[in-house]
Amino acid sequence: GAGVSQSPRYKVAKRGQDVALRCDPISGHVSLFWYQQALGQGPEFLTYFQNEAQLDKSGLPSDRFFAERPEGSVSTLKIQRTQQEDSAVYLCASSTSGVAKNIQYFGAGTRLSVL
Amino acid sequence: RKEVEQDPGPFNVPEGATVAFNCTYSNSASQSFFWYRQDCRKEPKLLMSVYSSGNEDGRFTAQLNRASQYISLLIRDSKLSDSATYLCVVNLGDSWGKLQFGAGTQVVVTP
Repeated sequence: GAGVSQSPRYKVAKRGQDVALRCDPISGHVSLFWYQQALGQGPEFLTYFQNEAQLDKSGLPSDRFFAERPEGSVSTLKIQRTQQEDSAVYLCASSTSGVAKNIQYFGAGTRLSVL
Repeated sequence: RKEVEQDPGPFNVPEGATVAFNCTYSNSASQSFFWYRQDCRKEPKLLMSVYSSGNEDGRFTAQLNRASQYISLLIRDSKLSDSATYLCVVNLGDSWGKLQFGAGTQVVVTP
């Protein structure tokens, strides 16, 4: 019944490796968001899905970042050829529908360290 | 210049005291405003939405000043458990809920 679930909680990657981060939103939530949070900063928007459609990917920092939500529920954020500057906490959030005032519920995040 | 700016603090507050802090936002088209709370190494959690007329939730009071483009949060009768980072969050006017977060204000409540 739970909230937003993210896995893995921690990921250590060597520079140049590919990583995949998973988000399982609250059941029935139409909207899904990915954020990147660097140390000492607030979360920064990466991308947004409404069901399976990726409606906004303007926050993805480079073409090494790719997100998908093929069946409109679970989403995966993939980072190819990781760089040290990719080290951050990646947060996933979901909400009931794509309305500005709707509350977003966050998962506990995946802490990515690129060595 | 960042879209949402906050004083990073820390605000050191004796238990039982009142603390207040603001954030400013730059986009006048912003529609929705929130305060989220984030504990160390945890996810952000909604504290309260902020309404134009101001609103209160227990010991917490939020105010919005659209003319000056700032939002405030006041915590009365501070508890040790109020120690956290408070994130000011603004919807930038997109129809579907894209949020812009401030970097947070750290509050430390001391015994």
